[in-house]
Amino acid sequence: AQTVTQSQPEMSVQEAETVTLSCTYDTSESDYYLFWYKQPPSRQMILVIRQEAYKQQNATENRFSVNFQKAAKSFSLKISDSQLGDAAMYFCAYFPSGTYKYIFGTGTRLKV
Amino acid sequence: DAGITQSPRHKVTETGTPVTLRCHQTENHRYMYWYRQDPGHGLRLIHYSYGVKDTDKGEVSDGYSVSRSKTEDFLLTLESATSSQTSVYFCAIRAGGPGGETQYFGPGTRLLVL
Repeated sequence: AQTVTQSQPEMSVQEAETVTLSCTYDTSESDYYLFWYKQPPSRQMILVIRQEAYKQQNATENRFSVNFQKAAKSFSLKISDSQLGDAAMYFCAYFPSGTYKYIFGTGTRLKV
Repeated sequence: DAGITQSPRHKVTETGTPVTLRCHQTENHRYMYWYRQDPGHGLRLIHYSYGVKDTDKGEVSDGYSVSRSKTEDFLLTLESATSSQTSVYFCAIRAGGPGGETQYFGPGTRLLVL
């Protein structure tokens, strides 16, 4: 079964510091997408960053970057220069191409 | 936000009553989804739709039904609400194409079943 695991239920970081959130996934597919979503207290799910599996280069969006290790099936999110507004739940998600189903991890609560 | 709205945003109901949640999108996306979010479980798929009148079950579909009579609207019905259906419900659309695959979410509906 395809699964997404976020092994850190909660993380803390000081303002201006860097934090890395972990995500691993289990799949036999070679073509897929990976995502990180942020859910602040408002509960709105906000797309933070997306990675296509066929791309070697790690995705970056301003202070957010990923470390995508395809062979290890690892997809971690690095937040640099952390800000109070980064405090939220973060969900990792996986989508195999050619299907309909997104699979989500159970989330990591980030405190700043 | 991909033009997704949900109504109502909050609802309190009693066990045994029917409840319908509405999801509306303005960008003509083919795929629409209903999830529920509970502590410790992340997001779990209830039902999804791949076109008008085309729907299928997700992993937690028992006790829920859906309908999609128009591209823009996807309804989730709890035929007879139970306390275990107290949750936050999210609607989402799937946006694909040259820009890549992405899922966008509505603002959520908080449902309390007493």
